[in-house]
Amino acid sequence: DIQMTQSPSTLSTSVGDRVTITCRASQSVINWLAWYQQKPGKAPNLLIYKASSLQSGVTSRFSGSGSGTEFTLTISSLQPDDFATYYCQQYYSYPHTFGQGTKLEIK
Amino acid sequence: EVQLVESGGGLVKPGGSLRLSCAASGFSFSYYSMIWVRQAPGEGLEWVSSMNNNGAYQYYGDSVKGRFTISRDNAKNSLYLQMNSLRAEDTAVYYCAKGMDGGSRYATDVWGQGTTVIVSS
Repeated sequence: DIQMTQSPSTLSTSVGDRVTITCRASQSVINWLAWYQQKPGKAPNLLIYKASSLQSGVTSRFSGSGSGTEFTLTISSLQPDDFATYYCQQYYSYPHTFGQGTKLEIK
Repeated sequence: EVQLVESGGGLVKPGGSLRLSCAASGFSFSYYSMIWVRQAPGEGLEWVSSMNNNGAYQYYGDSVKGRFTISRDNAKNSLYLQMNSLRAEDTAVYYCAKGMDGGSRYATDVWGQGTTVIVSS
């Protein structure tokens, strides 16, 4: 199975900050990687697919990059609505494993 | 409106069984792969099982293999998860979700609201 490791696990940030979350795969997933946002008590929401493609309806403040084993999710200027937990997921091979999550907290 | 609505969750004793259902609407259900993802209390997301668009291929996570069975009825726009030999560690919110295509490599673009399964004596 491909292991997905996110860093950091928790990030204390402020409104207006530029935020970068990293996701590393234990083997290459090419660019078959997605990012999701989840708020407490809610279902996840797809932000980015195929490593860098912005899902329809998602603000362009979110961007994704990377290939192979290292990927990043960047939020250009953090807004109050962005405080949530973010997950990466590889869908190159089964099982389609998720990272452990990165929680953005208000500093 | 694209929508997924799960049902069938509840309280069950260890060793018991439960069948989850997911009713899909607002899209061509038979075109897309479907997925079950779960989230234990206070924990992250865990991919559980997937099925391709025509039901020919099923995939399972190691933690549920041999105990859970995914199925779908394209005529009824419905996805199912039969869960047998349930354990306390299966306690979670179970989400039904839609893949972005019908094959084996897809992100998940639509999620249901989740149904809660509690395994406890």
